[in-house]
Amino acid sequence: QKEVEQDPGPLSVPEGAIVSLNCTYSNSAFQYFMWYRQYSRKGPELLMYTYSSGNKEDGRFTAQVDKSSKYISLFIRDSQPSDSATYLCAMTTGNQFYFGTGTSLTVIP
Amino acid sequence: NAGVTQTPKFQVLKTGQSMTLQCAQDMNHEYMSWYRQDPGMGLRLIHYSVGAGITDQGEVPNGYNVSRSTTEDFPLRLLSAAPSQTSVYFCATEKTGDYTFGSGTRLTVV
Repeated sequence: QKEVEQDPGPLSVPEGAIVSLNCTYSNSAFQYFMWYRQYSRKGPELLMYTYSSGNKEDGRFTAQVDKSSKYISLFIRDSQPSDSATYLCAMTTGNQFYFGTGTSLTVIP
Repeated sequence: NAGVTQTPKFQVLKTGQSMTLQCAQDMNHEYMSWYRQDPGMGLRLIHYSVGAGITDQGEVPNGYNVSRSTTEDFPLRLLSAAPSQTSVYFCATEKTGDYTFGSGTRLTVV
């Protein structure tokens, strides 16, 4: 079983839609949870970082962590064509980070 | 402030050739790492370093060597390239949970 599972998609939504991206994990020791955005032919860039269970909001983005269910989500409100990218979840207990395989998102104008 | 700089951006190797992928950072981060990214496999950790003089293996270390003589540089060496090493390679630094990735090296082994 992989440490982190993420649906690869692809996901295609119309502009303005609410997008929900999800990851599940198996290691209950994970404490730090991150979402990265990766544009084509670029390196991943940090989007959101959360430490504990609950919600964290940053503009149109909301990261949600449910440690009891070992489930994390990223919500994108009012999605824009510029949000089209691959979104990777990541988590860690310490030195080693574990990444999901990424979900490819396309927002259609 | 360049962040994390990787060179080269593209490389084609013949099977059996050796090469070094360069990674340099100017953020004074102790932690540096190398990942490879393959379709459907996500990012997989090859090697990492928690500081100068200290390196350790990640999930997929076979066929790769690293060294860390300075805080700034963390080169990745392919000793005898194989087609299975065709991938996109990312170098990254980390501090307090914030990973900063380089722009990647696209390597093709023929």
